[in-house]
Amino acid sequence: NAGVTQTPKFQVLKTGQSMTLQCAQDMNHEYMSWYRQDPGMGLRLIHYSVGAGITDQGEVPNGYNVSRSTTEDFPLRLLSAAPSQTSVYFCASSSDRGYSLYYNEQFFGPGTRLTVL
Amino acid sequence: GQQLNQSPQSMFIQEGEDVSMNCTSSSIFNTWLWYKQDPGEGPVLLIALYKAGELTSNGRLTAQFGITRKDSFLNISASIPSDVGIYFCAGKNYGGSQGNLIFGKGTKLSVKP
Repeated sequence: NAGVTQTPKFQVLKTGQSMTLQCAQDMNHEYMSWYRQDPGMGLRLIHYSVGAGITDQGEVPNGYNVSRSTTEDFPLRLLSAAPSQTSVYFCASSSDRGYSLYYNEQFFGPGTRLTVL
Repeated sequence: GQQLNQSPQSMFIQEGEDVSMNCTSSSIFNTWLWYKQDPGEGPVLLIALYKAGELTSNGRLTAQFGITRKDSFLNISASIPSDVGIYFCAGKNYGGSQGNLIFGKGTKLSVKP
């Protein structure tokens, strides 16, 4: 049981390049999400999905696209990288779709450290 | 949108000291959570709180869900070196997009030189 895996671990891009950050989970979780973490800013939600075929925007979605074709995978696409997207990106998954009274823990991946020059 | 104010932003600890941190919100939450992040890792859940006034412990950690539902506190007793890291509070409501977590900016715990 690998939990939540993210690739790559590190990435350097030039301004204007595009790339896809990969996220996969093997816990059969319906809910998956992407956060970015910047110094002094905590974690901010980019996009999330409550199941295959369903995605929605979080707090900071501009410049990012997502899709959810399977339960296991939730890739994050940077369409045209900008220096402001330099950050650490975390993917998370949970069996909690937001409707339950009790919190079902979100499990985080190890992160992707992205630098845009 | 909802915002969480977490304090202090950083603190230095000496082994054996007790540590306190808190989180306040401009609006209410139904669930309060405390996470810890070690360097180079993703956050890991420490404690979840579901009811106003609730006090929950996890080993040397104790957290409380404020009566107003707008705040939460985390205490660490008799700190040890492996307590260093960044502690995040997070709030959650249930129902639709409100099920997403709102994170505080974190409290960074370091060891006193």
